[in-house]
Amino acid sequence: QLQLQESGPGLVKPSETLSLTCTVSGGSISSSSYYWGWIRQPPGKGLEWIGSAYYSGGTYDNPSLKSRVTVSVDTSKNQFSLNLSSVTAADTAVYYCVRLATRGWFDPWGQGAPVTVSS
Amino acid sequence: DIQLTQSPSSLSASVGDRVTITCRASQSISVYLNWYQQKPGNAPKLLIYAAYSLQSGVPSRFSGRGSGTDFTLTISSLQPEDFATYYCQQSYSAPMYTFGQGTKLEIK
Repeated sequence: QLQLQESGPGLVKPSETLSLTCTVSGGSISSSSYYWGWIRQPPGKGLEWIGSAYYSGGTYDNPSLKSRVTVSVDTSKNQFSLNLSSVTAADTAVYYCVRLATRGWFDPWGQGAPVTVSS
Repeated sequence: DIQLTQSPSSLSASVGDRVTITCRASQSISVYLNWYQQKPGNAPKLLIYAAYSLQSGVPSRFSGRGSGTDFTLTISSLQPEDFATYYCQQSYSAPMYTFGQGTKLEIK
């Protein structure tokens, strides 16, 4: 059974870069049938897709995040990562890593990593 | 951008009730519509994909219908574990994805 687990700092200072890693277990990140991505949820609010990447290249990110997003895949470690630059308090959220089927649904999800942006 | 509007935003119901949640898209999205359930403190869980296909392991009391702009998620007989927040999500505009604002289902 495929499992995803986020890791990274829970506190980031304003203007710095938020960095999270998702470790995939129980399956290969090099599967041709899936993308890998990130979704976030601010406290008490709904879900926002951040970005996605394919194991061999090709990345997509939410235009509303104004090119601050980098999603990358490391096949040697069976991991993928998120970098979100120039963070502000508005980036405070629970960040989920997800597997994205080519037909566009997210399953499974990691348990979520809470990140607070504060000095 | 494709906007998804869920109704109602919140709903109170009793165990055993039949409940329907609606998701309306701002333009036609064919059947590129998925549904998720989220319980407090947990990650969302996929329930229905491609408008009406039940994800493996999801109870058959959950069902999805619709195409074009109007979609529904129905729970045929509410169980105590079904009280949660439900989100729809469109993948028609892949690789860009959007979610509805959520419907919170509470115990009456």
